[in-house]
Amino acid sequence: AQRVTQPEKLLSVFKGAPVELKCNYSYSGSPELFWYVQYSRQRLQLLLRHISRESIKGFTADLNKGETSFHLKKPFAQEEDSAMYYCALFLYGNKLVFGAGTILRVKS
Amino acid sequence: DTGVSQDPRHKITKRGQNVTFRCDPISEHNRLYWYRQTLGQGPEFLTYFQNEAQLEKSRLLSDRFSAERPKGSFSTLEIQRTEQGDSAMYLCASSFRGRDEQYFGPGTRLTVT
Repeated sequence: AQRVTQPEKLLSVFKGAPVELKCNYSYSGSPELFWYVQYSRQRLQLLLRHISRESIKGFTADLNKGETSFHLKKPFAQEEDSAMYYCALFLYGNKLVFGAGTILRVKS
Repeated sequence: DTGVSQDPRHKITKRGQNVTFRCDPISEHNRLYWYRQTLGQGPEFLTYFQNEAQLEKSRLLSDRFSAERPKGSFSTLEIQRTEQGDSAMYLCASSFRGRDEQYFGPGTRLTVT
């Protein structure tokens, strides 16, 4: 079955420290993966997608098919990065399957 | 605001009552999605429309749930005979095409007492 796993409910780091939010997926086809972010009191929004291979707000994510992972990384965390982050798998062009989410808390 | 809008933002209802939510997508988007999110979980897919056609429904969508998009613009999600387990955030999203970014609305929070 298609599944997205985010093993950490909460990740707490100090400002300036590196960040890695983990995401593993289970899917028999060719995966298309996304990271969505929800800042406090805002709606869910797309952060980045693996096919675009771009860096958004300093975040990058590389698809590793061998490890079935799509971890989100940023070399230096900023306080404004504090938010809920969801990894999502796109299926058959129809729907997103989301992980349970990881709260990122950046402390000053 | 040209984003996805949802109404109402909050709904409190008693068990057994019917409720209806509305979603207005971004105007040029022909795909519309409904998701449900419970505490501590990510959004779960319920159903989606391409224009006015409902093309897929999740098994989560019991026969008490019905969704429509009559003119291919706004959509409604109705829950009949609500149960406490229906308490959740109901999210609507829209996209221009299937593989495009989905834009989410602010959600409707349903509380069934």
